[in-house]
Amino acid sequence: AQSVTQPDIHITVSEGASLELRCNYSYGATPYLFWYVQSPGQGLQLLLKYFSGDTLVQGIKGFEAEFKRSQSSFNLRKPSVHWSDAAEYFCAVRGGLTGGGNKLTFGTGTQLKVEL
Amino acid sequence: DVKVTQSSRYLVKRTGEKVFLECVQDMDHENMFWYRQDPGLGLRLIYFSYDVKMKEKGDIPEGYSVSREKKERFSLILESASTNQTSMYLCASSFDANTIYFGEGSWLTVV
Repeated sequence: AQSVTQPDIHITVSEGASLELRCNYSYGATPYLFWYVQSPGQGLQLLLKYFSGDTLVQGIKGFEAEFKRSQSSFNLRKPSVHWSDAAEYFCAVRGGLTGGGNKLTFGTGTQLKVEL
Repeated sequence: DVKVTQSSRYLVKRTGEKVFLECVQDMDHENMFWYRQDPGLGLRLIYFSYDVKMKEKGDIPEGYSVSREKKERFSLILESASTNQTSMYLCASSFDANTIYFGEGSWLTVV
């Protein structure tokens, strides 16, 4: 069974500083990996996804993530954080196609606070 | 734009009540999902459906059931609500394995 670990529950950064959110996964085959963002009181929005190919993927809002198979990691980065980036971030791995469906397994999330 | 609509954003129910959470998607997606979100636990899959009248248990199905009579609608049912089911419930839909779209969530409080 697949699993995802986000070791940082809370992170605080200053506006304009760089950001890295950590994500480690466990999955037996080639993983399909995702990062989602959730603003307060809202649903989840997809930031980026990795399926294959280039291990550095670009997403929306200036985010990027790097897949490192040797470290089982898929860390999210942004070179300069804006106050509007304050939100909760979820890493997810796609599981198998049981019953013809598809489902994501999520990490427990990292709450990002941005100091002005 | 894909739209996943959860009709009830905030509900307060009493212990023992039967609760229906409704979800509608407008993109003809085969796959629909119900997740529960709790602080420190992330999102956990309750049930999913890959076709009309088809359903599969997720990771935490106990105390819940679902109904999918039409392709666009996926309902989550709490047969007898309990206080430990106080949570945020997120519905989602997808066409393939690559992109899943989420609704804005339904906050349920059971008193």
